[in-house]
Amino acid sequence: EAEVAQSPRYKITEKSQAVAFWCDPISGHATLYWYRQILGQGPELLVQFQDESVVDDSQLPKDRFSAERLKGVDSTLKIQPAELGDSAMYLCASTHRGGAAAYEQYFGPGTRLTVT
Amino acid sequence: GDSVTQMEGPVTLSEEAFLTINCTYTATGYPSLFWYVQYPGEGLQLLLKATKADDKGSNKGFEATYRKETTSFHLEKGSVQVSDSAVYFCALVGGGATNKLIFGTGTLLAVQP
Repeated sequence: EAEVAQSPRYKITEKSQAVAFWCDPISGHATLYWYRQILGQGPELLVQFQDESVVDDSQLPKDRFSAERLKGVDSTLKIQPAELGDSAMYLCASTHRGGAAAYEQYFGPGTRLTVT
Repeated sequence: GDSVTQMEGPVTLSEEAFLTINCTYTATGYPSLFWYVQYPGEGLQLLLKATKADDKGSNKGFEATYRKETTSFHLEKGSVQVSDSAVYFCALVGGGATNKLIFGTGTLLAVQP
């Protein structure tokens, strides 16, 4: 069964350092999402890609966060510099381009970030 | 804006008990509604969905009915098992240009043997 892959699974970094997360969506999925899940809360969308284009990054803190999906396949989310408040689970999800299947998002296992 | 409100947990039940987790929503238009489950240390898995009023989503013994008149999508299961222990998230997709999910805060379910 195809899955969304994410790495690393866990990351501990010191504040002010740079950190990057990688996501490989299910093959053929045109839409890719990055969510942030703070402990005890539901995930919140950071950025959405359709192929290599950003569709929605309204909640992405652009002064320190960046995201790219250069070839419309895998994606990288970067934080520089990391702050204590960035400690969270970062989830990647993917889905088909359109139609009813576009509503079913498949999530990866997430990257647990701890900033010290 | 669109939002989802879930009952707060934790919900602690004995095995074979009946489960209800309440979920209500606020949205313009006609959203699609979902329940996702998150087991410890894992990502989210889609449990069930409903895309229009009066639809009933079901999976693995769980059910939820899209009630437009009460803007609700309550999750139910007749007989819970220890393996159902997890965090359950109610969510909606409001449509428009993006299909972003808007989640509730999650409800922790703990089932005791």
